[in-house]
Amino acid sequence: QMQLVESGGGVVQPGRSLRLSCAVSGFSFSSHAMHWVRQAPGKGLEWVSVISYDEIHKHYADSVKGRFTVSRDNSNNTLYLQLNPVRVEDTAIYYCARATSSGWSLGLDVWGQGTTVTVS
Amino acid sequence: DIQMTQSPSSLSASVGDRVTITCRASQSISTYLNWYQQKPGKAPKLLIYVTSYLQSGVPSRFSGSGSGTDFTLTISGLQPEDFATYYCHQSFTTPQTFGQGTRVEIK
Repeated sequence: QMQLVESGGGVVQPGRSLRLSCAVSGFSFSSHAMHWVRQAPGKGLEWVSVISYDEIHKHYADSVKGRFTVSRDNSNNTLYLQLNPVRVEDTAIYYCARATSSGWSLGLDVWGQGTTVTVS
Repeated sequence: DIQMTQSPSSLSASVGDRVTITCRASQSISTYLNWYQQKPGKAPKLLIYVTSYLQSGVPSRFSGSGSGTDFTLTISGLQPEDFATYYCHQSFTTPQTFGQGTRVEIK
């Protein structure tokens, strides 16, 4: 059973840092690109970042570029998102999601349940 | 960045209705367009990828079409479990972007 479990969310003051984790099981993590997507309270989905299966390629939304860093540990099947510094507008549920293939041009077919970040 | 615009933003429909949601990209994205369904308090669920490919396990009443800048999600015979918010998503280039969502409500 494929599973993504996010953790690391919480309440953080503006300007501080936070690291989110996404523990993966049930599939070959090292074969898939991985995404972060967020959803502010009562709002729509916002794409945040993608990392290639081999960690060579990383891309970010303009709203987080220079502040967020995506990384992965293929030996421990874990995806990370470092948020630093955080802003009030980063308040959202953060989802990790699996790209359908090793590339990122197809859909996001497996999602975690999300972890909530509140910046206040 | 490529802007994705969905219409309508919301709609009311009855069980059994045929529902169509459109998504327009601000520039051509070939066929790299995906559709998701999200219910309150839940993570999104992939319905259709690359315009028209049905994700495994998704009922065949869902279908997608289009290319370039204009895309459509059609639900043929709306079921009670289909009342949700639907999002389009372009995966043609980074930064990837989502539409603002279409809420499908019960009439």
